[in-house]
Amino acid sequence: QVQLQQWGAGLLKPSETLSLTCAVYGGSFSGYYWSWIRQPPGKGLEWIGEINHSGSTTYKSSLKSRVTISVDTSKNQFSLRLTSVTAADTAVYYCARGLGRGYSYGLPYYWGQGTLVTVSS
Amino acid sequence: QSALTQPASVSGSPGQSITISCTGTSSDYVSWYQQHPGKAPKLMIYDGSKRPSGVSNRFSGSKSGNTASLTISGLQAEDEADYYCCSYTSSSTWVFGGGSNLTVL
Repeated sequence: QVQLQQWGAGLLKPSETLSLTCAVYGGSFSGYYWSWIRQPPGKGLEWIGEINHSGSTTYKSSLKSRVTISVDTSKNQFSLRLTSVTAADTAVYYCARGLGRGYSYGLPYYWGQGTLVTVSS
Repeated sequence: QSALTQPASVSGSPGQSITISCTGTSSDYVSWYQQHPGKAPKLMIYDGSKRPSGVSNRFSGSKSGNTASLTISGLQAEDEADYYCCSYTSSSTWVFGGGSNLTVL
């Protein structure tokens, strides 16, 4: 059974850096895509970006200048960094593992529990 | 990345069938998620019409032109949730629709 457990700071001030980590338990770490998705309070889902086990990344274009997703295969973990946060970055952040089959290979399938990150002065 | 457009809300009575539309995608492989309040999304349909293990066959996906659809038959109270379509883009990114809130009357 694949489980994702995520953690990180929940309260940030404007201009600070958001940092979240997601640990993967069960199943293989290699061969899959690992994503971050966020959801502002009361709003819809927004895909942030993904990384594969070899470290190749793809980011949403509007966030690309501020986002870094990295992977630590020795620990079966991957991380999200988002710099220069503002109130607009307030959201529940989810980590996810890709489906791993079919045309939707990288499609988020297993999800973490979510972390509410609030940006406020 | 292109936006996917969904109706903000849909409703139906128990036992009925409802369909949620998702327009604006050229991909044949649209996916659908269900999200209950305070919970992580759950994948219901992928590759346009395939169901992951454990998902009820009351959920089905289809596509016509640039509109994908999720149909839920035999509506049950537990189906009340938000539903999101999702598609892979030509930029090798994923994009979600704005979400549809399903109310079971």
